[in-house]
Amino acid sequence: DAKTTQPPSMDCAEGRAANLPCNHSTISGNEYVYWYRQIHSQGPQYIIHGLKNNETNEMASLIITEDRKSSTLILPHATLRDTAVYYCIVSPRNSGNTPLVFGKGTRLSVIA
Amino acid sequence: GAGVSQSPRYKVAKRGQDVALRCDPISGHVSLFWYQQALGQGPEFLTYFQNEAQLDKSGLPSDRFFAERPEGSVSTLKIQRTQQEDSAVYLCASSLDLDYGYTFGSGTRLTVV
Repeated sequence: DAKTTQPPSMDCAEGRAANLPCNHSTISGNEYVYWYRQIHSQGPQYIIHGLKNNETNEMASLIITEDRKSSTLILPHATLRDTAVYYCIVSPRNSGNTPLVFGKGTRLSVIA
Repeated sequence: GAGVSQSPRYKVAKRGQDVALRCDPISGHVSLFWYQQALGQGPEFLTYFQNEAQLDKSGLPSDRFFAERPEGSVSTLKIQRTQQEDSAVYLCASSLDLDYGYTFGSGTRLTVV
């Protein structure tokens, strides 16, 4: 079972920041927070991951609370192409032997 | 190749028919994963390979499901005597290093009629 809780859906106006929350209150010390997204009819796409520090890349920013029990994925300027299902996953860093477990994710709709 | 390639993209099978789904991972990627995604659900893990070794097949739903990766590159997921409940998108992913996450293919949509 997924160890994360996400809202089933969210809307965001085009050009505004999209802030997607995730609760992972039972996260273990060796587990990272991974974010993937899945655009319709495509496979999931890796976005970003982090352990305890905030992370930023060309796609998004990841803010992890100090107690690591929750996190927020931030898309700074959402576009229509960001409409997708976003999955928050916790998993050990050496995840080769522990496959990623997906929940139902958050369906983000970016509205013009 | 540039990404993970899966074929066929779509497959319609009659109930009871055997099917074979192919995955070409990114060259050099050691880890390969198969997932099953039902409509409206997140992907569910089926099995995992490290090179040619199948290290975890705990997610395979029945003994009708079989996966192989004989030379540590291309993998095939075979489903025998397909049932309607097997209808789903089957996703393949490969990984070099978890710092870069998994790279997924676009999947094979299997419809059993």
